[in-house]
Amino acid sequence: DAGVIQSPRHEVTEMGQEVTLRCKPISGHNSLFWYRQTMMRGLELLIYFNNNVPIDDSGMPEDRFSAKMPNASFSTLKIQPSEPRDSAVYFCASSPPGQNARFYGYTFGSGTRLTVV
Amino acid sequence: DAKTTQPNSMESNEEEPVHLPCNHSTISGTDYIHWYRQLPSQGPEYVIHGLTSNVNNRMASLAIAEDRKSSTLILHRATLRDAAVYYCILQQGGSEKLVFGKGTKLTVNP
Repeated sequence: DAGVIQSPRHEVTEMGQEVTLRCKPISGHNSLFWYRQTMMRGLELLIYFNNNVPIDDSGMPEDRFSAKMPNASFSTLKIQPSEPRDSAVYFCASSPPGQNARFYGYTFGSGTRLTVV
Repeated sequence: DAKTTQPNSMESNEEEPVHLPCNHSTISGTDYIHWYRQLPSQGPEYVIHGLTSNVNNRMASLAIAEDRKSSTLILHRATLRDAAVYYCILQQGGSEKLVFGKGTKLTVNP
């Protein structure tokens, strides 16, 4: 299994541009999570999906951020327009269905390092 | 979200056991105790989890206090590759969410 795959690994963009981060969860996992990590705020949960449906988006910082999960094998996190304070490492994680998630944990991707200049 | 308290940092010597403490005095009966670690420049990695009983796996052991208000992650023989930030997290019953705190930065000395 290739694990959770995120792309791109690094993204440098100018302020005001649209940024799209991508995530492919592990096959068979039905929950997907987007996290953001900065030195100041640590790891923050932005949003999570269960069976492709957004369950909790209370961590999404503002309307500039949006996330979609059109099918079980793909999710995107979009920032439009981007700002320098969005610079961070963005992680995607997935977990298996129901009770199993409590027994095998979440699997995280390697992250996307976003720099907005 | 249920809160945990961990020391900011700890040091250990290679090949010695390491005991990483975590306090979670507000834990409720259905909360699972999870431990994750994050190596430098990587995403978090699942280590172990438990509910009431002590747990062992190939990576570590988890000792849970009888009142469940604290737990200890035990690395039996630390290696340089165990140097990471270790997070203790309560997963609330019925929720999929994992809310990370600041964790404990473990330094392993050769």
